[in-house]
Amino acid sequence: EIVLTQSPDFQSVTPKEKVTIICRASQSIGNNLQWYQQKPGQSPKLLIKYASQSLSGVPSRFSGSGSGTDFTLTIDSLEAEDAATYYCHQISGLPWTFGQGTKVEI
Amino acid sequence: EVQLVESGGGLVQPGGSLRVSCAASGFTFSTYQMNWVRQAPGKGLEWISYISSSGTTIYYADSVKGRFTISRDNAKNSLYLQMNSLRAEDTALYYCARRYCNSSSCFMDVWGQGTTVTVSS
Repeated sequence: EIVLTQSPDFQSVTPKEKVTIICRASQSIGNNLQWYQQKPGQSPKLLIKYASQSLSGVPSRFSGSGSGTDFTLTIDSLEAEDAATYYCHQISGLPWTFGQGTKVEI
Repeated sequence: EVQLVESGGGLVQPGGSLRVSCAASGFTFSTYQMNWVRQAPGKGLEWISYISSSGTTIYYADSVKGRFTISRDNAKNSLYLQMNSLRAEDTALYYCARRYCNSSSCFMDVWGQGTTVTVSS
């Protein structure tokens, strides 16, 4: 099983701050990594696909980078509405797995 | 509007069975792969099962293999998860999610609101 380890587990930030979340895979997964955002009481929402590809409708302050085993989700100039838990997710090998999540508190 | 609506959750005793459903609307259900993902109370996301658009290819996480069965009825635009031999650790919010694939990647682009399954005596 491919284990995804996110850091940090929790981050308390102020508006307009830059946030960086790291996801490390236990083996190489190429670019087969996605990032999801889950706000309290809501279903997860896809932010980034294929490690760095943004989706239509996702604010441009969200970006992803990395390949192989090390990946990063960056939120430039954080806004209050970005308070959520962020999960990385790999589909390189079965079983597909998620990271443990990073909670971002404003 | 593209929508997934789960139903069928509830309270069940350990060792019992339950079937949850996911009704799809607003898109051609028969052309999409589907997943079930669960979230235990206060915990993270766990992928548990996948089914291809035709239903011929199925995958499970080890945690549910042999106990859970995923299926679909494309004529009814519905996805199902039959859960047997339920354990306390199966207590979770169960989401169905549409899996979209393009030339570069596949991803879960539409999620339902989830249905809660509680396993307790």
